[in-house]
Amino acid sequence: AQRVTQPEKLLSVFKGAPVELKCNYSYSGSPELFWYVQYSRQRLQLLLRHISRESIKGFTADLNKGETSFHLKKPFAQEEDSAMYYCALSGFKAAGNKLTFGGGTRVLVKP
Amino acid sequence: DSGVTQTPKHLITATGQRVTLRCSPRSGDLSVYWYQQSLDQGLQFLIQYYNGEERAKGNILERFSAQQFPDLHSELNLSSLELGDSALYFCASSVDRSSYEQYFGPGTRLTVT
Repeated sequence: AQRVTQPEKLLSVFKGAPVELKCNYSYSGSPELFWYVQYSRQRLQLLLRHISRESIKGFTADLNKGETSFHLKKPFAQEEDSAMYYCALSGFKAAGNKLTFGGGTRVLVKP
Repeated sequence: DSGVTQTPKHLITATGQRVTLRCSPRSGDLSVYWYQQSLDQGLQFLIQYYNGEERAKGNILERFSAQQFPDLHSELNLSSLELGDSALYFCASSVDRSSYEQYFGPGTRLTVT
C-alpha cells in the first residue's frame, strides 16, 4: 500500500528564515515523488518532482530512499510562499498512476 | 492556467439528490483523474480514465460513477448524496496513461445540505 505522511499541519516562519517541510512515504517499490502547492483560492500546481532534480522558486527536495523521505526546503522564505503544500507519491505504472497525497502542510510566512 | 476546466464551480444540493460534475482536460491529454478533497479525508484519488476506458480505481463509493466521452471530457456522477459527500472535487489530466505529471483543474465545491 502507498502512504504519505506530512507530520506538520502548520509551519509558521519569518520572512528570510529557512523553511523545511517534512514528507515521509511508505511504498514497496520505486516511487515517483512530487511536491504540489496550492495558493489561496487557486488550483493545485506541481512544484517539483524528484526525478527532475531541479529547483523551482528556490525550493529543493531530495529523495532519501534509506529514510523514505522527500523533505522540501527553501533557505530564505518569502511572503509569497505562504500556501498549502502537499507531498504526493505515484507508484507502479501498470496499476495506473494515481497520486497518493499527504495531509498537507500550511506554510505561513510572516513579514 | 493549466488548461483543465471544471464546471460548475460551486454546487449546493440536498441529501438524496444526484449531481454531475464535468471536466475538460488540457488539449491533447488523454488521461483524466478525479480526486476528492475533504477536511477529514484529505486529498483522495477516486478514479482514472484513459482514452475513454477506466484505468484505475481508488476509494470511490458505489454511489459514485464516472465516464470519459469520445471528445475526452469526463463526468463524475454522484448519487444518493449524503452530508459527508460535501467536498472539493478536483479533476486532473495528463498526456498519457502512464505520465506522472498531472495538471489540476480549479475544482468543484459541492455542498450537501
